[in-house]
Amino acid sequence: EPEVTQTPSHQVTQMGQEVILRCVPISNHLYFYWYRQILGQKVEFLVSFYNNEISEKSEIFDDQFSVERPDGSNFTLKIRSTKLEDSAMYFCASRRTGGEKLFFGSGTQLSVL
Amino acid sequence: DAKTTQPNSMESNEEEPVHLPCNHSTISGTDYIHWYRQLPSQGPEYVIHGLTSNVNNRMASLAIAEDRKSSTLILHRATLRDAAVYYCILRANAGGTSYGKLTFGQGTILTVHP
Repeated sequence: EPEVTQTPSHQVTQMGQEVILRCVPISNHLYFYWYRQILGQKVEFLVSFYNNEISEKSEIFDDQFSVERPDGSNFTLKIRSTKLEDSAMYFCASRRTGGEKLFFGSGTQLSVL
Repeated sequence: DAKTTQPNSMESNEEEPVHLPCNHSTISGTDYIHWYRQLPSQGPEYVIHGLTSNVNNRMASLAIAEDRKSSTLILHRATLRDAAVYYCILRANAGGTSYGKLTFGQGTILTVHP
């Protein structure tokens, strides 16, 4: 079965630094998502992206966050100035047009020190 | 998004059936009922979804109450690999404004005993 690929699997950064988390969605999918999961807590929606623009975002997705589809295959999440509370597992997901099923990647564990 | 209620945890023995309940009394007519699971240290994984009729796939079955206020995920023969957190999620029709967003709750932690 096709997969959503996320890199890196682990990222360690210093507070205040910028990080970019990368995702390669499934090739014929047009809807993209970022979720995060703080250790021991539930999976939280961050943002959805369609047709080269944000279609929906949560309160968590503030001005420090941005998303981009820089080419035909990658989908990135940038955190401009990381805070300790940004430490979490970040999941990318994608969905095809007309499909109900979201395909999730295996995540990037972000640790902010 | 309409809310779902699931037990915090359930236990099962290997090779026995498991019935995971979910209540969603405020479901609207166009909400799909989705089940995802999350194995330890992995991303959520789609299990099954339905709208009104019962559904079967290679992983599980979904039984939906006639009034759609509850549903049950059925694993026909649990294996150790089925130990995971199972999430019951209502998703508004993608034709609306939700763009397919899923809102996860706490889910049910399923423990499978050998």
